[in-house]
Parts: sequence; structure tokens; C-alpha cells
Amino acid sequence: QSVLTQPPSASGTPGQRVSISCSGSSSNIGTNTVNWYQHLPGTAPKLLISSNNQRPSGVPDRFSGSKSGTSASLAISGLLSEDEADYYCSAWDDSLNGHFVFGTGTKVTV
Amino acid sequence: EVQLVESGGGLVQPGGSLRLSCATSGFTFSNHWLSWVRQAPGRGLEWVANIKQDGSLKYYLDSVKGRFTISRDNVKNSLYLQMNSVRAEDTAVYFCTRDQQGPRLYQVDDWGKGTTVTVSS
Repeated sequence: QSVLTQPPSASGTPGQRVSISCSGSSSNIGTNTVNWYQHLPGTAPKLLISSNNQRPSGVPDRFSGSKSGTSASLAISGLLSEDEADYYCSAWDDSLNGHFVFGTGTKVTV
Repeated sequence: EVQLVESGGGLVQPGGSLRLSCATSGFTFSNHWLSWVRQAPGRGLEWVANIKQDGSLKYYLDSVKGRFTISRDNVKNSLYLQMNSVRAEDTAVYFCTRDQQGPRLYQVDDWGKGTTVTVSS
């Protein structure tokens, strides 16, 4: 079971802004950096945001990440139909001898 | 270009064994942590195990500890997952990943396309 909780779904119309939350604890988000992934069914997931708020090369600046305390969020502005996908947060968790965790996932519908 | 190509998936009976392989290219293999991540049908992503550059450190998801073993071959640039005593709940697409690790940082940078494991009698 994931220890990073996300809303199961989010939606918006083209051009709107959508925000996805990711709630964790002191052993994961509270201590370590957060990453976000975009996953279209049947394809390989893609790193969208690293180190809380850094966009890898090629990721549009419509995507932004932030972190505060034991929570993080991903914002998508200027929503496009191609943004319809599943989004996951992740972080290293220092509990139980250490392990990597993904969030429960959020389906974004445009 | 980074490439990760998984193989070895298939149909296996409960209690059986399977060995997944991941052939890689396009990066310096021995410089990276690597992981296996899975996605069960209709479910989200779940990290399974990872391994340090020299193989000296390995971490596992609690539910696979003692049943799965992650290993790597830094000469063949390949990652492996030996799956023993498999259960129905191990049914999933298994992804091989190239990772980055640092102080307070762990992230999956690149993913393979996955190989499907189905556990059923």
C-alpha cells in the first residue's frame, strides 16, 4: 500500500489550470525530494518533475511542482488534450530500512 | 539514447519461478542505481526493488522480500529479477528503470516498455 496519497481524479477544460496534491509523512516527503511522473496507458512512464520543482529537458513549462512540509503538488496550466494521463508522485521513504514509494495516482481528464 | 528492454515475462503457475531480464544501452551502466517497478491490472505503479551501482546494496518491497532477488551484471549491462514462489498478486507489467540517487534524492529517470507477468493456474 502506498504511503503517498493523491486524489483519484482531476479534470479541466482545455486552457484551464489543474492541480494535483500528494500527501506524505516526515519519513518521505518531509525528508526527501519529490518527483512526478506522467503515464499514458500502454507506454513507459515519463519523468515530469524532479527534485520537487525541476523540469527535465523537454518538459513544457506548463508543468510545475512544489513542496511544503509533508505535502507536494503538481500544477498543469494551459491544459491540453494530450495531458490526459495518469500522474504519480514519488519519493524515497526512510522508514522500514528504506524503500521507494509512488503515490496512489491521479487520472487527469481533459 | 538510453534504452531499457525487458524480457522474460509470461504465464507462470502460483508457486512457480520466473527470471526477468533487462538489457540496456546508451548510458554508463555501472554508474546508476536500477530498479524494477510494476503495475498490476487496473492498479497504480508500485516499486518492487532496487540495486546499487556495484550490487552491494539492495532494497525490496516488503511483500516480495524473501521471494524476489534483484541482481545486475555490469559487464553485460543487464539487470535481472529472479521471482520465486510467485502469487496471483504478482501479476503485473514489470518495468526496468534507470535511477538517480543522491543526498535526500531518489528518482527514476528512464523506463523500459515493460514485460508482462501473469500468475495463474
